[in-house]
Amino acid sequence: GQQLNQSPQSMFIQEGEDVSMNCTSSSIFNTWLWYKQDPGEGPVLLIALYKAGELTSNGRLTAQFGITRKDSFLNISASIPSDVGIYFCAGQETSYDKVIFGPGTSLSVIP
Amino acid sequence: EAQVTQNPRYLITVTGKKLTVTCSQNMNHEYMSWYRQDPGLGLRQIYYSMNVEVTDKGDVPEGYKVSRKEKRNFPLILESPSPNQTSLYFCASSLDRGHSPYGYTFGSGTRLTVV
Repeated sequence: GQQLNQSPQSMFIQEGEDVSMNCTSSSIFNTWLWYKQDPGEGPVLLIALYKAGELTSNGRLTAQFGITRKDSFLNISASIPSDVGIYFCAGQETSYDKVIFGPGTSLSVIP
Repeated sequence: EAQVTQNPRYLITVTGKKLTVTCSQNMNHEYMSWYRQDPGLGLRQIYYSMNVEVTDKGDVPEGYKVSRKEKRNFPLILESPSPNQTSLYFCASSLDRGHSPYGYTFGSGTRLTVV
């Protein structure tokens, strides 16, 4: 079946540093999504992308829909302790398909 | 407040003892789904429901049952739990199976341990 790969699996960074993570797929997706899971909670939608090449920001977070439509990227600028959590990418081949989730990138921020 | 409510948050049970994890949403969403989260494997879909009385298997349905008798409720049933079902479970809902601009709304999770 469809699979998403996320890189890196985990990151330990210093507070104030910028963060980059990515997500790749073997299939072309029409929608890319980024969710964040705080410790002890369910995932929450951060950013949704609907068009190849699209760049969308949400505060310090910026996500891009890859030109090939097989990847997406998430950047976090000037990380703070509350950025800690697991970041999931998710994709959808068409608007009628179910959403597929990646395995997640675990982010730890050292104060 | 719009939310998905799961109960219980934590559950320890013994092998073979039937259990039910409840899920309720107050947003009149048609689509509901159950996921399990395991380290390194991310979120894997167990079952989903497109509407009342319409349910279907996800990627890892073995050992689970669901029902959708009312729009707001989507309980997950483990008839005979086994230790390999020890996991963190999430219920989610959405306007439809496709991705609405507001995304999936997830519950806070149920951590299940089967001994």
